[in-house]
Amino acid sequence: DPKIIQKPKYLVAVTGSEKILICEQYLGHNAMYWYRQSAKKPLEFMFSYSYQKLMDNQTASSRFQPQSSKKNHLDLQITALKPDDSATYFCASSRDWGGDQNTLYFGAGTRLSVL
Amino acid sequence: GDSVTQTEGLVTLTEGLPVMLNCTYQTAYSTFLFWYVQHLNEAPKLLLKSSTDNKRTEHQGFHATLHKSSSSFHLQKSSAQLSDSALYYCALSDSTGGADRLTFGKGTQLIIQP
Repeated sequence: DPKIIQKPKYLVAVTGSEKILICEQYLGHNAMYWYRQSAKKPLEFMFSYSYQKLMDNQTASSRFQPQSSKKNHLDLQITALKPDDSATYFCASSRDWGGDQNTLYFGAGTRLSVL
Repeated sequence: GDSVTQTEGLVTLTEGLPVMLNCTYQTAYSTFLFWYVQHLNEAPKLLLKSSTDNKRTEHQGFHATLHKSSSSFHLQKSSAQLSDSALYYCALSDSTGGADRLTFGKGTQLIIQP
């Protein structure tokens, strides 16, 4: 059974709309992350959270807002969607934030298409 | 900033032949290097990681050696299996070595044919 659940698996949105990508992890981890993979680009780090607090933000646009209601949840709200936001969004977690023994565990991703 | 360069695009091999996927990196800091593998419709999973110069790391038949002198961390396997068909990512962390911010390469799609 997958330990990091992302919903939905596929998402189609119209330009200008707002969507929330859901992520829940059942690994007992304290740190959670969002990464994005656009067409023909590498996986790109977006955000990291530790104990529900934002630790690092590499996303220039305020249209992307993580939301953590519980330690094992890290949703991603995207407002005013643009076609360039089309990508696969991966949620990930690790036991702790930072530290040289941490391993990153990924969810299967949400593929977002903005028309 | 940090960057990772991998063997471009698609690599197709016949079952039983050796596998080598290249990975080189640039960073101003000390390094942890990782290989992640993503099978079709699955999540990326950690395959190997290393921070020790010139030490071979092995897992599930794959191995890689971090060479800081050449900034390389190539992934190898002596004999490819059909189940090795997947997307492989090389990734780099900053001096903390933690998972908090990884820089990924573009990925190499490996296809093993009978």
